[in-house]
Amino acid sequence: DAMVIQNPRYQVTQFGKPVTLSCSQTLNHNVMYWYQQKSSQAPKLLFHYYDKDFNNEADTPDNFQSRRPNTSFCFLDIRSPGLGDAAMYLCATRVGGADDTDTQYFGPGTRLTVL
Amino acid sequence: AQSVSQHNHHVILSEAASLELGCNYSYGGTVNLFWYVQYPGQHLQLLLKYFSGDPLVKGIKGFEAEFIKSKFSFNLRKPSVQWSDTAEYFCAVNNPYGNNRLAFGKGNQVVVIP
Repeated sequence: DAMVIQNPRYQVTQFGKPVTLSCSQTLNHNVMYWYQQKSSQAPKLLFHYYDKDFNNEADTPDNFQSRRPNTSFCFLDIRSPGLGDAAMYLCATRVGGADDTDTQYFGPGTRLTVL
Repeated sequence: AQSVSQHNHHVILSEAASLELGCNYSYGGTVNLFWYVQYPGQHLQLLLKYFSGDPLVKGIKGFEAEFIKSKFSFNLRKPSVQWSDTAEYFCAVNNPYGNNRLAFGKGNQVVVIP
């Protein structure tokens, strides 16, 4: 059974048209992450939530925002997508405690195409 | 900031050959180390991890990795690969006492020829 679910799996948007990607988890984990992965590159962390505490990476563009309305759901909003934002967006979760709980569990990703 | 280096981005080998993928990281403190695998069309899955204890870690599907602290390395090995091992392999490092965020390497694209 899927534990980290991302919808949609494929998203096409137009240049400058806002888009929202969603992630949900059945693991009841405290921490949720959003990564951007471009072709042949490492996943790059955009931001993460520890419970309701939002943590933005210093180099994440302002164009990217996130919402976490409850434990299970987290959204990635791209306010004005540019061609350079075309990528795979990965959601991950982690328990958030100590003692062998630092493993991140990844969703299947949403591939974003910007026309 | 932590950085993770993976060399030989593309690896092509025949079935039954041995595989070794190198991973070096830059952080000098206590780290947690991971190898993730991404099969074609699938999501990132944990292959194995090292937190503490025996530096030789056994993972799923016959993979193992060795943590060598003096070399800042965590190389992945499999003695005899199968066609089904065709995938992209990512090394990742996490400082558990710092910001707890994963730093990934660029990945190794491994193709196993039947």
